[in-house]
Amino acid sequence: NAGVMQNPRHLVRRRGQEARLRCSPMKGHSHVYWYRQLPEEGLKFMVYLQKENIIDESGMPKERFSAEFPKEGPSILRIQQVVRGDSAAYFCASSPYPFDNEQFFGPGTRLTVL
Amino acid sequence: AQTVTQSQPEMSVQEAETVTLSCTYDTSENNYYLFWYKQPPSRQMILVIRQEAYKQQNATENRFSVNFQKAAKSFSLKISDSQLGDTAMYFCAFMKGNAGNMLTFGGGTRLMVKP
Repeated sequence: NAGVMQNPRHLVRRRGQEARLRCSPMKGHSHVYWYRQLPEEGLKFMVYLQKENIIDESGMPKERFSAEFPKEGPSILRIQQVVRGDSAAYFCASSPYPFDNEQFFGPGTRLTVL
Repeated sequence: AQTVTQSQPEMSVQEAETVTLSCTYDTSENNYYLFWYKQPPSRQMILVIRQEAYKQQNATENRFSVNFQKAAKSFSLKISDSQLGDTAMYFCAFMKGNAGNMLTFGGGTRLMVKP
């Protein structure tokens, strides 16, 4: 059973470009979470999604950030018009809820904005 | 809102010795879960141990154990017989009792195990 997959692992963008981060949850998991980790800090919650639904986006910046988890395919975290402050590691986690509350993390995508 | 505080930014321990990492949290919830995650240099987040708040018995996983003090809102991690592979960042995390909720992380403790 493959773990949570994230791609790309590293992404470099220039200021003003768009960044698309992808997350494929573990097989059988329909709950996905996105977290952001700034350098030398802990992970901060961004958004919680189920298939075709955003359940909690209380941690998402109001502008430029969006997330989706379509019926088919991976979850996507999209950052429009990136700025240097968006440089961070973005982690996706999936959960087999309601069977268990453990969250299984992907390897993360490190975004660098030049 | 919940907060999680790890007051030790860095710690070191000699190989084979025991080390304890501290974590305190603040919540008005009565039903919740607490976690310790390990993040080695690879950056992969690895679950070390989990504690349900309704359980009085402290969780144990091999060399890892916790001291859960619910009244004091304290959740420390003890690593026995430290190994070089334990070198990593360690994050304490909180989750409200309704599964499906997000994790709230502390700022982390960088642990160095010295040979």
